[in-house]
Amino acid sequence: KQEVTQIPAALSVPEGENLVLNCSFTDSAIYNLQWFRQDPGKGLTSLLLIQSSQREQTSGRLNASLDKSSGRSTLYIAASQPGDSATYLCAVRPMDTGANSKLTFGKGITLSVRP
Amino acid sequence: DGGITQSPKYLFRKEGQNVTLSCEQNLNHDAMYWYRQDPGQGLRLIYYSQIVNDFQKGDIAEGYSVSREKKESFPLTVTSAQKNPTAFYLCASTPMGGGYTFGSGTRLTVV
Repeated sequence: KQEVTQIPAALSVPEGENLVLNCSFTDSAIYNLQWFRQDPGKGLTSLLLIQSSQREQTSGRLNASLDKSSGRSTLYIAASQPGDSATYLCAVRPMDTGANSKLTFGKGITLSVRP
Repeated sequence: DGGITQSPKYLFRKEGQNVTLSCEQNLNHDAMYWYRQDPGQGLRLIYYSQIVNDFQKGDIAEGYSVSREKKESFPLTVTSAQKNPTAFYLCASTPMGGGYTFGSGTRLTVV
């Protein structure tokens, strides 16, 4: 059974710092991996989607990498801002149950960026 | 703009009452999902549907029911059999092989 782990559960950094959020998964047979952001009381907003054949994806100040063989993904946030404060979740879709199969989520990392 | 609409945003249920949460998407996505989110427990899958008129139980389906009569709509009914329904409910959809898109959620509270 796939397990997705995000450590630490919470992180506090000063504004302007570059930071890396980690995600690990136990089964490397994945279809894709997706990073989401969730603000308190809100739904999930998709940040980046990495297909299994890709190594990384970039959007603005965000860069996500994927290393299937080691079961790891990282989300890099450049020049962090207070507006980046939120919970960041990663989720993997397994390979063996098809293109519309369900995601397995990590529990998320709650990021606080201090002004 | 395309997206997923969940309604209502807040819902209050009395003991023994069934309530239905609405989820509508105009993204032309094939698959739709319902998740429940509780503090400290992450997201747990309730039901999912990959095509119209077909759906499967997720990890915590007991006390819930769904229907998928139209591609755009995937309503979730929380029945009186669900003993602890207070939670944040999220609906999502995906195209074949693509990424998930989520709605803004419905917060259900038992009164």
